[in-house]
Amino acid sequence: EDQVTQSPEALRLQEGESSSLNCSYTVSGLRGLFWYRQDPGKGPEFLFTLYSAGEEKEKERLKATLTKKESFLHITAPKPEDSATYLCAVFTTGTASKLTFGTGTRLQVTL
Amino acid sequence: NAGVTQTPKFRILKIGQSMTLQCTQDMNHNYMYWYRQDPGMGLKLIYYSVGAGITDKGEVPNGYNVSRSTTEDFPLRLELAAPSQTSVYFCASRETSGTYEQYFGPGTRLTVT
Repeated sequence: EDQVTQSPEALRLQEGESSSLNCSYTVSGLRGLFWYRQDPGKGPEFLFTLYSAGEEKEKERLKATLTKKESFLHITAPKPEDSATYLCAVFTTGTASKLTFGTGTRLQVTL
Repeated sequence: NAGVTQTPKFRILKIGQSMTLQCTQDMNHNYMYWYRQDPGMGLKLIYYSVGAGITDKGEVPNGYNVSRSTTEDFPLRLELAAPSQTSVYFCASRETSGTYEQYFGPGTRLTVT
């Protein structure tokens, strides 16, 4: 059974204090790993897709990386508007495009 | 494009009542999905569809039914609502080929009392 574990559960940063969120996975046949952002009361918003180990994607203050066992979402010099829950999900072979989600990391960035 | 839209946004049901959660997408996506999200838990797949007329069960299908008569619409039916169905429900869609990412609607918050 595919498993996705995210850590930490919650993270509080001061504005400008860089950090990383972790997503570790145990799956058979990874086809893709996705990062989503979810604001309170809203649906998940797509951020990145990573397909193979060594791949990196960047968007503003966010950078996602992928290894054979885990993915990191690096947040550089965060701002309060980066506060949200960040979700990781995997897409594997033989699953008819179904995603398996982690439970998310709740990020709070304060002034 | 409006993307994925869901109605209603909020609903309170009594135990044993039934209702349909509506989901519509205007991106001509063949794949559509229904998830539920409970506090502290990851999104769980309820049902999915790979095209009009084709549906299949996900991880937690009990107590729910779906239909897919058009490409645009994918309603989720709750029969005999139970307190365990209190949750936030999200509909999502994606293209048939390409990058596989799913696009989510704003969600329906359902309370069963």
